Amino acid sequence: NAGVTQTPKFRILKIGQSMTLQCAQDMNHNYMYWYRQDPGMGLKLIYYSVGAGITDKGEVPNGYNVSRSTTEDFPLRLELAAPSQTSVYFCASRTGSKYEQYFGPGTRLTVT
Amino acid sequence: AQSVTQLGSHVSVSEGALVLLRCNYSSSVPPYLFWYVQYPNQGLQLLLKYTTGATLVKGINGFEAEFKKSETSFHLTKPSAHMSDAAEYFCAVSDVGTALIFGKGTTLSVSS
Repeated sequence: NAGVTQTPKFRILKIGQSMTLQCAQDMNHNYMYWYRQDPGMGLKLIYYSVGAGITDKGEVPNGYNVSRSTTEDFPLRLELAAPSQTSVYFCASRTGSKYEQYFGPGTRLTVT
Repeated sequence: AQSVTQLGSHVSVSEGALVLLRCNYSSSVPPYLFWYVQYPNQGLQLLLKYTTGATLVKGINGFEAEFKKSETSFHLTKPSAHMSDAAEYFCAVSDVGTALIFGKGTTLSVSS
């Protein structure tokens, strides 16, 4: 099993550009999550999904969008990138019966 | 609302010394509690978890934590620190809902 994979590992965007962060898991997990990590702030939830076709906002959803068309994939879309979106983004997943989450390696995004 | 407080953003110990990382939580329902470790430029890895049952839980790499309901604490310990333990550690809480609520993290430094 590859677990949770994320692409790209690094990206530099200019202000106003858009991009999609990819996340995939091969563990047949129903629940998937996107977090952002900023220094000294821990992880904040952006969006989550409890299954294909079902998504909901987390604590910091502004400036982001998600979709979940398959169980495996959960892409995060940034529209009109802003410097405040400079962060490390983590995708995670879990089963419905256990509460621990499994994390991908992260995407480090810089917006300049 | 649930929350997690990690006391001390930075803890320094000598190799072979006791490691104690503090975590207090607030939750209106019996919590599920987790410790994750993050090595530089990597994702989060589950160290251990408490869901139900025994309040002293053992994890990987010789770490353990004790759930104390009366103190709303879930402190992480390791009897003897190793250089390879240097990393950032996150405490997290979850109810029967969806996402994890993370503390801001504690960076552990180990000196020889």
